[in-house]
Amino acid sequence: NAGVTQTPKFRVLKTGQSMTLLCAQDMNHEYMYWYRQDPGMGLRLIHYSVGEGTTAKGEVPDGYNVSRLKKQNFLLGLESAAPSQTSVYFCASSYLSRGLAGGSSYEQYFGPGTRLTVT
Amino acid sequence: QQQVKQSPQSLIVQKGGISIINCAYENTAFDYFPWYQQFPGKGPALLIAIRPDVSEKKEGRFTISFNKSAKQFSLHIMDSQPGDSATYFCAATYTFGGATNKLIFGTGTLLAVQP
Repeated sequence: NAGVTQTPKFRVLKTGQSMTLLCAQDMNHEYMYWYRQDPGMGLRLIHYSVGEGTTAKGEVPDGYNVSRLKKQNFLLGLESAAPSQTSVYFCASSYLSRGLAGGSSYEQYFGPGTRLTVT
Repeated sequence: QQQVKQSPQSLIVQKGGISIINCAYENTAFDYFPWYQQFPGKGPALLIAIRPDVSEKKEGRFTISFNKSAKQFSLHIMDSQPGDSATYFCAATYTFGGATNKLIFGTGTLLAVQP
């Protein structure tokens, strides 16, 4: 049981380049989230998904797109990277409702993060 | 708009001492308040959580104190150990109705426990 995995772990982009970050979870969670973490800002929600084929905007969605074609995967795309998108990106997942195995239904399980630098 | 305010930004505590981190929230609809612990190079992990129907929750050396009227909650780490050195985030969300479990995080507190 790998939990939540993210690829790649590190990436350096030049301004204007595009890339996709992949998040995968093997816990059969309904909900998935993408956050960015910046010094002094905590974690801010970029986009989230409440199920396969559905996505929604979070607190800081501009410049990012997401897709949830399979329940276990949540992709975060940067179409034209900007230096302001230099950050550490975390994916998380959680259950939909109380009562399922694994503990609290509201706990979010985080991946190890992707450190992205845009020059 | 920052809906969860966390302080202090950093904290240095001697081994065996008590670490206290405070958070305040604005949205009275919040009904679930977790604390996450993050070690360098790792993702955050749930440490302890509380609902506003209780004023305190204790798990081992970690205690959450909750003051609903003041809209404040705090994390107390008793007998702090060097292994507790990490960044701690408070968070809040609401869980009723069509809630999507979106967490609003505080800005984090970097705790260093000196041996």
